[in-house]
Amino acid sequence: EAGVTQFPSHSVIEKGQTVTLRCDPISGHDNLYWYRRVMGKEIKFLLHFVKESKQDESGMPNNRFLAERTGGTYSTLKVQPAELEDSGVYFCASSQVRKETQYFGPGTRLLVL
Amino acid sequence: SQQGEEDPQALSIQEGENATMNCSYKTSINNLQWYRQNSGRGLVHLILIRSNEREKHSGRLRVTLDTSKKSSSLLITASRAADTASYFCATDALGGGADGLTFGKGTHLIIQP
Repeated sequence: EAGVTQFPSHSVIEKGQTVTLRCDPISGHDNLYWYRRVMGKEIKFLLHFVKESKQDESGMPNNRFLAERTGGTYSTLKVQPAELEDSGVYFCASSQVRKETQYFGPGTRLLVL
Repeated sequence: SQQGEEDPQALSIQEGENATMNCSYKTSINNLQWYRQNSGRGLVHLILIRSNEREKHSGRLRVTLDTSKKSSSLLITASRAADTASYFCATDALGGGADGLTFGKGTHLIIQP
């Protein structure tokens, strides 16, 4: 069974540009989560989808971040415009059942210059 | 201290010894999960322990949970060089609200050959 995949693995952009991260959850997992870790800080929850619906987006830092999951399969996280403080590692996770094990992808390392 | 805070922050032991890491949290939880992250890679799920469980084993891993003290420990027995990694505990808040996990900053474990 394929795990959670994320694309790209790395992204280097300039401040003010737009970046779109993609996450493909484990097949059949209705629950999809985004997290990020900025340097020196702990991993922080961003939002949670159940199928195509946003269940909880309390962790989204501001309106420069937009997450979508059209069709309830893969998800994208767009940062527009990117700022220096957005640099970090963005993780995606999925779970089959709510409140159960979350399986993480390898992460996307974003560097905003 | 923060929710899901690990202790110690860093631990260096000899191969073959046992490694114990602790985690403390603040709020009531549904479950607690331990993850491992090898350098520059994604999070690997190790074990999930529910709030009504006190101890769980998986191979060389032993996890305990004390909900009265809001703490958990991860014991790795007979450590190997490949166990060198960062270890994180993550809690899932009790109730039907947010599903996002709350992570600590992790314990960096180094196994000396």
